[in-house]
Amino acid sequence: QQPVQSPQAVILREGEDAVINCSSSKALYSVHWYRQKHGEAPVFLMILLKGGEQKGHEKISASFNEKKQQSSLYLTASQLSYSGTYFCGTHAGGTSYGKLTFGQGTILTVHP
Amino acid sequence: DTEVTQTPKHLVMGMTNKKSLKCEQHMGHRAMYWYKQKAKKPPELMFVYSYEKLSINESVPSRFSPECPNSSLLNLHLHALQPEDSALYLCASSQEQAFGYTIYFGEGSWLTVV
Repeated sequence: QQPVQSPQAVILREGEDAVINCSSSKALYSVHWYRQKHGEAPVFLMILLKGGEQKGHEKISASFNEKKQQSSLYLTASQLSYSGTYFCGTHAGGTSYGKLTFGQGTILTVHP
Repeated sequence: DTEVTQTPKHLVMGMTNKKSLKCEQHMGHRAMYWYKQKAKKPPELMFVYSYEKLSINESVPSRFSPECPNSSLLNLHLHALQPEDSALYLCASSQEQAFGYTIYFGEGSWLTVV
């Protein structure tokens, strides 16, 4: 089952912060975050494996709340290069085991 | 080196043609994937190979036929496609087919069916 991302789109000025949320109705084993620029392949940002785990990559970090089956991606002091579509991908159990299913995406636009 | 290489980058084919998309990785990964992505949509899983065996087929029409000749190569054979099959086809790989492993995507093959 597809995870749900919010918001669908964000417009920022350089230096502003943003949060992108990803939630699932199923228990999650892992959450993967990707950024995709127009006409390019998705680029891996980070993976979160257990509840409460937070990871960071430069000014981009993420958290995983296993109880709420949610993950959030935090972008601080945004740069022009952060523009793109952000996808969360989730691994759930049961019949979904081994499948990474992506949310519908959040379009992030950073203006000078 | 986390590189997945796909060829061709662009392919235009007629509805009666037979063509193939190719994917290669040299990271020693044992799981390989085909995803399909339509414009403004997320990637959708088509097939998963684990240790060169087909592990998951997401009810993909038989006009798409995957093949994994060895642990580094993955092909997608295309036959009698429809215009609605036009999309970006992404190959990906991970160390194992399990939730704890990062999936790395190739640049994709843009397919247009005319």
